[in-house]
Amino acid sequence: DTAVSQTPKYLVTQMGNDKSIKCEQNLGHDTMYWYKQDSKKFLKIMFSYNNKELIINETVPNRFSPKSPDKAHLNLHINSLELGDSAVYFCASSRAGGINQPQHFGDGTRLSIL
Amino acid sequence: GENVEQHPSTLSVQEGDSAVIKCTYSDSASNYFPWYKQELGKGPQLIIDIRSNVGEKKDQRIAVTLNKTAKHFSLHITETQPEDSAVYFCAERQGAQKLVFGQGTRLTINP
Repeated sequence: DTAVSQTPKYLVTQMGNDKSIKCEQNLGHDTMYWYKQDSKKFLKIMFSYNNKELIINETVPNRFSPKSPDKAHLNLHINSLELGDSAVYFCASSRAGGINQPQHFGDGTRLSIL
Repeated sequence: GENVEQHPSTLSVQEGDSAVIKCTYSDSASNYFPWYKQELGKGPQLIIDIRSNVGEKKDQRIAVTLNKTAKHFSLHITETQPEDSAVYFCAERQGAQKLVFGQGTRLTINP
């Protein structure tokens, strides 16, 4: 009965590879997000989708491409992985429409680039 | 104004004492301020939030105060317990749905 679930939980790969992280929410929310948390625990938004439409794109390199096949899923594909991409990536979701809707986070995907 | 300043970065208190974490924001148009708790290996979990039309909100041992004039808000945890140990983040909503987070406070409750 997990609300926001991400897979995989851990991802270890080599520089230059392409990888994907999947996210699904069963809360019936319309809006989904991707955040990056660096080694100093700083959390920063990367993308936001509302009903499969891109709303926020925070100057993230083109190597990062989110895909939303439906409003319950928001996947993150990363091309040509670099050492600086090592971080924990969090997916989140919230209701849309009304203001100030709480965001619910998944438990993160720890990406380690060798 | 993009930044939310959060202090202290680490906080250690004796079990049963109170803990206070403070945040300052710069966007005077912001009107929603949530607090999140992040335990080891987990995602941030919302513990309390406050909207700009109120100055204080309480939920059992947790309270949040907001001073819109000074642009700062604080989290107060009373009667702290070991399970309160975690990293706490304040946040400010900027624009439609964008949350900007503070740098985090690692709270340790000493038994």
